[in-house]
Formats: sequence, structure tokens, C-alpha cells
Amino acid sequence: GQQLNQSPQSMFIQEGEDVSMNCTSSSIFNTWLWYKQDPGEGPVLLIALYKAGELTSNGRLTAQFGITRKDSFLNISASIPSDVGIYFCAGQLRAGNNRKLIWGLGTSLAVNP
Amino acid sequence: ETGVTQSPTHLIKTRGQQVTLRCSSQSGHNTVSWYQQALGQGPQFIFQYYREEENGRGNFPPRFSGLQFPNYSSELNVNALELDDSALYLCASSLGGARPGSYEQYFGPGTRLTVT
Repeated sequence: GQQLNQSPQSMFIQEGEDVSMNCTSSSIFNTWLWYKQDPGEGPVLLIALYKAGELTSNGRLTAQFGITRKDSFLNISASIPSDVGIYFCAGQLRAGNNRKLIWGLGTSLAVNP
Repeated sequence: ETGVTQSPTHLIKTRGQQVTLRCSSQSGHNTVSWYQQALGQGPQFIFQYYREEENGRGNFPPRFSGLQFPNYSSELNVNALELDDSALYLCASSLGGARPGSYEQYFGPGTRLTVT
């Protein structure tokens, strides 16, 4: 199936460090969503982006909707142990009642206390 | 506000059998989407239901079917199970309509299906 290019695939960082990850697509989206998934759980929505160039924060998380509408970035500042998990980007072509999400493969984050 | 719930949490079936997975949408949400997530992969869109009708389908064969009920809960049915159907099945609910916030999808914990 169709998937987005998400990088890096995995990261191992020290507590307190900042983290950056990104997602690119060959197609244009008009919505980007970032999710976090813990093992055995469903994805939890972190940030939703609706406009090209939009920069949105949620606590220590900041995400941006790329100007080309083909990419998005997620930054986590001052990481803590509970940030551990898999982060997914998802693109959506918002139209009418269509809710289909196209997903990246995820970025696995490990934080060393 | 009640979140998205799914049942059962785990299921083991034999190849060739049929399975039904259930989902209750978040209060006030009338759109349900189903995704299949293989180990180490991102979710793949199966289909979506809006007001009891299928309203979008991914690249899955017809043996994957679904229903949505008047209370907006939903079922995913898979016939003639294959080994490759082993995965986490996720249900997500959202609001209908075209307002930006209505496109946000909220997920249940998933059903882990193992086909042997």
C-alpha cells in the first residue's frame, strides 16, 4: 500500500535532548497529522496541521506543514523518558467526507534517562 | 466523553475461518475508519463508513467487509482468513462534514488478530 517517507527510522537520545523527525510525500496533502503509538496500543493524536506553512505547538511538541504541501516536520524539545514510543506522520487529502489517512513507517524513539 | 473502544483485544483464528471485530466510536462521531497495521509498519486504510454507508475503500479484497449501525458503532468482517491477515486492526472515529477539525481521527486500542 501507499506509504510516506518518514525519517529517521529510529533514534536513541539522551534525556533533555531535542528531537527532529520529518515526513515527505510524492503527493500533495492538505492535512498532516502526527501520532504517537505505544506498544500494543492505538495511535494517539499529537498535532493536526491544516494549512501550508502552518506551525503548531502542543507543549514540548512543535510541528510544521511544509510550504510545498508534500512534507511535514515534528520537533520534540527537552525529551523525557515518557516520550519513548513510535511517532507516525499521516497525510490526508481533505475532501468532503473522505477520512483516509496515508501513513509513514514511523520513527522509533528511545530516550536514555 | 467516551473514547473509541474495540473488542476483542486479542483473537486467534485458523486459516480459512471468519472473524468479526467490533468498534464503538467516540461520542458524537459519525464516521468510522478501519486500518490494518502489520508488525513494524504504518497502518493501512481498509475502508470508511459514514452514516451507515461505505464511503471509501483501500486496496483490500472483498473478503474484507464491514457494517456501521445507527448508533455509529461498526464491525469489520474478514472471511477466508489467510496467514497474512495477522495484524493489529485499528478503528478510528471522527466527525462528519468538512470542517477542518472534523478530519482528526481518534483511535481505539486495536484488536490483535493472529491467524495460524
